Amino acid sequence: AQSVAQPEDQVNVAEGNPLTVKCTYSVSGNPYLFWYVQYPNRGLQFLLKYITGDNLVKGSYGFEAEFNKSQTSFHLKKPSALVSDSALYFCAVRSLYNAGNMLTFGGGTRLMVKP
Amino acid sequence: GAGVSQSPSNKVTEKGKDVELRCDPISGHTALYWYRQSLGQGLEFLIYFQGNSAPDKSGLPSDRFSAERTGGSVSTLTIQRTQQEDSAVYLCASSLASGRNTEAFFGQGTRLTVV
Repeated sequence: AQSVAQPEDQVNVAEGNPLTVKCTYSVSGNPYLFWYVQYPNRGLQFLLKYITGDNLVKGSYGFEAEFNKSQTSFHLKKPSALVSDSALYFCAVRSLYNAGNMLTFGGGTRLMVKP
Repeated sequence: GAGVSQSPSNKVTEKGKDVELRCDPISGHTALYWYRQSLGQGLEFLIYFQGNSAPDKSGLPSDRFSAERTGGSVSTLTIQRTQQEDSAVYLCASSLASGRNTEAFFGQGTRLTVV
């Protein structure tokens, strides 16, 4: 079975500071990894994904994520946080080992960026 | 349409009544997911459809919940004899079955309130 862990329920950061939202995963075989963001009263929006290749993936709104196979992690990062980045962030994984297309989500991390 | 469409956007129902929630996925997407999100919480997997394969119903919380997908496109999630604990936002997503571009795209959700 595949699983995703987001160890922090909430991350607080001051505007202009770098931010990191943590994600670790467990799958059989090579993973496909995703980050989604959910703004208040909105659906989930796709941010970025890791499929293969470079371990550092760049996505929307200046976000990036680093895939670390040995640590089975896919932490989301941004060099300089904005107040408008405050939202709920979800990490997700899909394994290509399984024939299906099942997408498993972590429990979410609330990011609070303070002015 | 261009995105995943869910209807209704909001539904208030009396305890004990049945409700139907509709999801119209992106054209050509063979994978369809239903998730449930309680207020500000993570995503709870409900059911997953992949092409003509038997759906993965492992996340349905009780036999009051059922879903179908007609013609490989539109899906309906039915909740019978609704209870107050069924109140949540029900999210639908779709994705391509294979290929590198396999992120899931989410609808805006249906907010269900059982009174």
